[in-house]
Amino acid sequence: ELKVEQNPLFLSMQEGKNYTIYCNYSTTSDRLYWYRQDPGKSLESLFVLLSNGAVKQEGRLMASLDTKARLSTLHITAAVHDLSATYFCAVGDNTDKLIFGTGTRLQVFP
Amino acid sequence: GAVVSQHPSWVICKSGTSVKIECRSLDFQATTMFWYRQFPKQSLMLMATSNEGSKATYEQGVEKDKFLINHASLTLSTLTVTSAHPEDSSFYICSANTPGLMNEKLFFGSGTQLSVL
Repeated sequence: ELKVEQNPLFLSMQEGKNYTIYCNYSTTSDRLYWYRQDPGKSLESLFVLLSNGAVKQEGRLMASLDTKARLSTLHITAAVHDLSATYFCAVGDNTDKLIFGTGTRLQVFP
Repeated sequence: GAVVSQHPSWVICKSGTSVKIECRSLDFQATTMFWYRQFPKQSLMLMATSNEGSKATYEQGVEKDKFLINHASLTLSTLTVTSAHPEDSSFYICSANTPGLMNEKLFFGSGTQLSVL
């Protein structure tokens, strides 16, 4: 059974600082997604990673995938308040299903 | 990108009543739709997988008689919460998929906040 874990669960960081969110999963997968969720809202798609070594960047966020280690990272560069949200990784199993990580609640303060 | 429409966004109902939530794919044909439930400050839990023209596949622990799913067309799936109770209050989110989109960003509906009094 595929299990997905994220850490940290909660992250409070100062504006301008860098940090990384980690997503570990338990079985082989060929696709991994990162999503952002604002309070009371649905999911906003950020990245899809499909191959070992894949790296994607958009703005202050960069996601990478290491399929051998079963690990994905979401790196935040020079955080700003607007990045405050909950971030989820989700891993595709061998069917169409997505299994979501526990989520990381990010709070960026001045 | 693929657009998924979900409504209502928000519903309040009395205990014992049934509530129907619709999920539509607007610009593609969705062979598969997924229904998730999210409790406050928790992750998304997959409830069921809905395939057009066939019975839904429910995850372990999800009562199929309580959460009725119908996927009658390639663009519409509905989730009916029957005889709702306060413990069913949650945020329900759908997503839609089609084989050509497997390697693309998967898009989700806007979600439905259900409050059962």
